[in-house]
Amino acid sequence: DGGITQSPKYLFRKEGQNVTLSCEQNLNHDAMYWYRQDPGQGLRLIYYSQIVNDFQKGDIAEGYSVSREKKESFPLTVTSAQKNPTAFYLCASRPGQAYGYTFGSGTRLTVV
Amino acid sequence: AQTVTQSQPEMSVQEAETVTLSCTYDTSESDYYLFWYKQPPSRQMILVIRQEAYKQQNATENRFSVNFQKAAKSFSLKISDSQLGDAAMYFCAYRSAPGVKSGNQFYFGTGTSLTVIP
Repeated sequence: DGGITQSPKYLFRKEGQNVTLSCEQNLNHDAMYWYRQDPGQGLRLIYYSQIVNDFQKGDIAEGYSVSREKKESFPLTVTSAQKNPTAFYLCASRPGQAYGYTFGSGTRLTVV
Repeated sequence: AQTVTQSQPEMSVQEAETVTLSCTYDTSESDYYLFWYKQPPSRQMILVIRQEAYKQQNATENRFSVNFQKAAKSFSLKISDSQLGDAAMYFCAYRSAPGVKSGNQFYFGTGTSLTVIP
């Protein structure tokens, strides 16, 4: 079945560490996105990529980095510069001209 | 940037009854898309319904329908014959038309938590 796989489902990070969240899709979608979800704030865009080897900052990119070396993969690194990383992270994708997103099942990141 | 407002943080409905969730948005664009997404306790985001702004007819998907008022910039979701499985967080989202730079992303409201009472 086609879809988006995010891993791990739960992730714990010590302060000062970088961690990488995985997002893989087998839908052959061109565009991929990373959103952060906090209680009472909806979804906020971190980064997005429309094609391989190209990505753009979203509204809250500070403290995060991404890469897009393959069409299927769009990993997100939460760096130590992100001061409040505890949140639920959602990856999404869509074909070039389609209307809606397909979402992954998310990763819950907690700083310990 | 466009803004999407959901003024009802929480709503409840009796099973089998009808409930309407509100959404308003702010834009100067004439062509765009509007969406309702459902996020159940599993936290998987599921597309419920979408509406193209150039279409006057309100979209319908089984028990879900919208009331799209373009001039008022309002996009409410009506759930008929509510079921226990409808309990979830519902997000309204806006997207510009393809070709517009901001069309690369969606703008989400803060969500409405719907409880279905047996």
